[in-house]
Amino acid sequence: KAGVTQTPRYLIKTRGQQVTLSCSPISGHRSVSWYQQTPGQGLQFLFEYFSETQRNKGNFPGRFSGRQFSNSRSEMNVSTLELGDSALYLCASSRTSGTMETQYFGPGTRLLVL
Amino acid sequence: SQQGEEDPQALSIQEGENATMNCSYKTSINNLQWYRQNSGRGLVHLILIRSNEREKHSGRLRVTLDTSKKSSSLLITASRAADTASYFCATDGYTDKLIFGTGTRLQVFP
Repeated sequence: KAGVTQTPRYLIKTRGQQVTLSCSPISGHRSVSWYQQTPGQGLQFLFEYFSETQRNKGNFPGRFSGRQFSNSRSEMNVSTLELGDSALYLCASSRTSGTMETQYFGPGTRLLVL
Repeated sequence: SQQGEEDPQALSIQEGENATMNCSYKTSINNLQWYRQNSGRGLVHLILIRSNEREKHSGRLRVTLDTSKKSSSLLITASRAADTASYFCATDGYTDKLIFGTGTRLQVFP
């Protein structure tokens, strides 16, 4: 089975721009979660999508949004980028929703905002 | 804010030695999980322990959970250079989302 894939792997943007990151879950997995990882704040939960619906949301501003398609692929969008948005963005998929499920992580998208 | 804090922040040992990492958390949980991350890449799930379990083994890994102290430990026995990574605990805090700790950076020297 192919693992979780994320595109692009690396991205450089400037302040004020917007960015869209993509995540393809493991085949058959219906839940996709997104995390932001920075040296200062560590790993922080952004949101979770299950069957095209957002189930959970972390404490991030409305500039961070996401969606999930009928094939379970997910995208997250960050608008009006700030320097502090520079981070490794990780997505994880699981068969179903809930924290008892093992999450399988992708390699991440490293975003640098200049 | 993070639910868990790992201790120590960094650990250096020789191959063959055991490595112990601790995780403390703040609120009640349904389960606690441990993950490994190699050098800024994706995380790999290691083990899940439920709140009604006290100890769990998986290969060279042993995890304990003490819900009265709100703490867990991860023991890696007979460590190898390939175990060099950051290790994170994650809890659900009685919610539907995982909250990760600060991580322990483990360096295993050959």
